[in-house]
Amino acid sequence: RKEVEQDPGPFNVPEGATVAFNCTYSNSASQSFFWYRQDCRKEPKLLMSVYSSGNEDGRFTAQLNRASQYISLLIRDSKLSDSATYLCVVTHQGAQKLVFGQGTRLTINP
Amino acid sequence: ETGVTQSPTHLIKTRGQQVTLRCSSQSGHNTVSWYQQALGQGPQFIFQYYREEENGRGNFPPRFSGLQFPNYSSELNVNALELDDSALYLCASSSGLLRSADTQYFGPGTRLTVL
Repeated sequence: RKEVEQDPGPFNVPEGATVAFNCTYSNSASQSFFWYRQDCRKEPKLLMSVYSSGNEDGRFTAQLNRASQYISLLIRDSKLSDSATYLCVVTHQGAQKLVFGQGTRLTINP
Repeated sequence: ETGVTQSPTHLIKTRGQQVTLRCSSQSGHNTVSWYQQALGQGPQFIFQYYREEENGRGNFPPRFSGLQFPNYSSELNVNALELDDSALYLCASSSGLLRSADTQYFGPGTRLTVL
């Protein structure tokens, strides 16, 4: 079993729709949580951190449920430019690496 | 732009050959991490270098090795290439040991194809 698992996707949604991604992690010692965005053939870029209290950045909302070891990302009013692969990432206390999920590919259709 | 550069951009090798990939970290960063991203997968941690010493290694065989230089640039070397080594190789630089992902900056990657 992979340490970080995501919805397999791909997701194809119309412009303006709301889309939600889910991610689960298996290591209860995981310390920090993030969503990255990766455009085709480009490097991953940090989209947002995820906090237990939930956090919002414009159209993007991230939630963390430590008890269920579950992370989510909600994109409202999706734009064509949101088309990308979204990667769920965790780190462990004292560990020196980012642990990535396999990613979920999102395509926003006009 | 993150200020992290990698070379070459693309590379084609044949099975059994050796390859060296290079990474120049962002100014002021003394830590470099390397990741392998196979097609359709998320990046997998290979190893990290902090002040010229290896500081953590993922589940990769010894034929994956690295170096960090006094200017904190880094090399990833892969010997005896296998077809499954075909991937995007990413380096990420940070200042000090990793505390948070928002302190780690990725380069554009090197796409390696092994035939």
